[in-house]
Amino acid sequence: GDSVTQMEGPVTLSEEAFLTINCTYTATGYPSLFWYVQYPGEGLQLLLKATKADDKGSNKGFEATYRKETTSFHLEKGSVQVSDSAVYFCALSEDGATNKLIFGTGTLLAVQP
Amino acid sequence: NAGVTQTPKFRVLKTGQSMTLLCAQDMNHEYMYWYRQDPGMGLRLIHYSVGEGTTAKGEVPDGYNVSRLKKQNFLLGLESAAPSQTSVYFCASRLAGAYEQYFGPGTRLTVT
Repeated sequence: GDSVTQMEGPVTLSEEAFLTINCTYTATGYPSLFWYVQYPGEGLQLLLKATKADDKGSNKGFEATYRKETTSFHLEKGSVQVSDSAVYFCALSEDGATNKLIFGTGTLLAVQP
Repeated sequence: NAGVTQTPKFRVLKTGQSMTLLCAQDMNHEYMYWYRQDPGMGLRLIHYSVGEGTTAKGEVPDGYNVSRLKKQNFLLGLESAAPSQTSVYFCASRLAGAYEQYFGPGTRLTVT
């Protein structure tokens, strides 16, 4: 079945460092891809999405490009802040009406001042 | 506009007890979902609903039941709790035709 694999954490960075969190997927159809973020003690929030190959999703300085040839959707940010500390989940939505989400295991990002 | 709310926020149960988790949304969304979040496993779908009066099984439905009697509410029931059901439970909702799922703040359940 469909699945998502993302790099294990925790990822610890200093403020203003460059961030990459790798995500690859396996899918039989043409999924939509998402990054969700979970701040401490809160539910998940959609960070960005891409619905077809070569689309680039971006939000709050984060971006990710849907790469069909490498089945990847890596999350990047040029300069992280302490406020970016959170757990980041890569997810795919199966092709179809229900749009059920399949999540990766999550990557904890800790940004130190 | 409260978005998605979940009741209760925390609960401790003994093995064999029952309880119901309530999810409510005020966005008039058609789709609603229940997930559980366990360390190292991400979120897994328990049950979902595509509209009032309908429910369907997700990836890990065993030991849970759900009901969607009103469009705005989605209830998750545990008839006989087991320690393996210790988890954080998240509810989400989505507007038909849209991609984004909106999540509630979660319910932390411990079964001893």
